[in-house]
Amino acid sequence: SQQGEEDPQALSIQEGENATMNCSYKTSINNLQWYRQNSGRGLVHLILIRSNEREKHSGRLRVTLDTSKKSSSLLITASRAADTASYFCATVTGYSTLTFGKGTMLLVSP
Amino acid sequence: NAGVTQTPKFQVLKTGQSMTLQCAQDMNHNSMYWYRQDPGMGLRLIYYSASEGTTDKGEVPNGYNVSRLNKREFSLRLESAAPSQTSVYFCASMGPTSERTEAFFGQGTRLTVV
Repeated sequence: SQQGEEDPQALSIQEGENATMNCSYKTSINNLQWYRQNSGRGLVHLILIRSNEREKHSGRLRVTLDTSKKSSSLLITASRAADTASYFCATVTGYSTLTFGKGTMLLVSP
Repeated sequence: NAGVTQTPKFQVLKTGQSMTLQCAQDMNHNSMYWYRQDPGMGLRLIYYSASEGTTDKGEVPNGYNVSRLNKREFSLRLESAAPSQTSVYFCASMGPTSERTEAFFGQGTRLTVV
């Protein structure tokens, strides 16, 4: 079964609102990464957080990691219509095993 | 700098036919991956290669074979295609975990098996 599971499966918000997506995983990790995918295209990396880090920021993105709960969250602040996409968390375990969750579909309406 | 290049972009196969999906990266990455993406299932790992000369099964390896031809190239072969293998396939590569590198993806191959 897949290592990561995102929640919610789908999220619909208005422009200017914040969007929060959660990810839970099953085994110890080296790092956790978040990716974005627009309409069936290739995935684009957003942010990486290592297992010994608790919070990372990049522009309007904020990622937290709680290794005791095996969970992470991605916050997108002041959402824009252009943020509409699917978002995936991915975990790196062992030497380089990279596995993904099922994703959250985010719809930001103008 | 092309990143990760996948070919072909589209393919239609008949049940039982074989084909090879090609993937090449020019970032000198050790690790390479093949995923399939189906609606509602996210990306599922088929096979990966942590370094040249090594390959390992992922979550859904049945019906597939891979070859890590050299450090740049990692191919995925379907020996006898089945309709259940209709999917979008993505190749990716990633640098060493110790260097905090992310994965880079190809644009995908949309495969239909009829």
